[in-house]
Amino acid sequence: GAVVSQHPSRVICKSGTSVKIECRSLDFQATTMFWYRQFPKQSLMLMATSNEGSKATYEQGVEKDKFLINHASLTLSTLTVTSAHPEDSSFYICSARVGNRGTEAFFGQGTRLTVV
Amino acid sequence: KQEVTQIPAALSVPEGENLVLNCSFTDSAIYNLQWFRQDPGKGLTSLLLIQSSQREQTSGRLNASLDKSSGRSTLYIAASQPGDSATYLCAVKRSNDYKLSFGAGTTVTVRA
Repeated sequence: GAVVSQHPSRVICKSGTSVKIECRSLDFQATTMFWYRQFPKQSLMLMATSNEGSKATYEQGVEKDKFLINHASLTLSTLTVTSAHPEDSSFYICSARVGNRGTEAFFGQGTRLTVV
Repeated sequence: KQEVTQIPAALSVPEGENLVLNCSFTDSAIYNLQWFRQDPGKGLTSLLLIQSSQREQTSGRLNASLDKSSGRSTLYIAASQPGDSATYLCAVKRSNDYKLSFGAGTTVTVRA
């Protein structure tokens, strides 16, 4: 299957600082990538859809000024958590699709963010 | 809004036993359904993808069925092994966009 690489896998930051998470499609081009957040023992919640060359589409309740998404190329999307607070601590996962709507979604390894 | 439910939330079986994991969804207008495996602290690994026109998919010891009209899918894992211990998530894709709706998962423990 297609490979999606996410970096870093773990990050600890201080309150008030910003953290950038990268999501790369290694062997395919992804015009659309997705960012999810997962709380312990809960399902993945879609935060936003990242579109190459245009603005991201955010789900209801997700602060776009806090979670900045940039999709500057067909293989890279970044999520920046700005002015992080302890409540932002979570597991963030990105996903990309190959081809059209009917194809599989492939996921990155996830990033465990801890804000202290 | 699509609601996806997975029952049970957790399951513990002895090695060798067959596993049956259930997934139900409220809106039958789906494009496809995908089963994933997630190990602790890791991302998701795609196991099986079933298109809405299909009734089942098989890969090795894994078999997934889909009954779209009743809003159900079942993942069968034959002859379970300790390495099968993980959380299994199902996700459905809506017909009109790319988005996936996930269940909360079933955490499986296979005892040696």
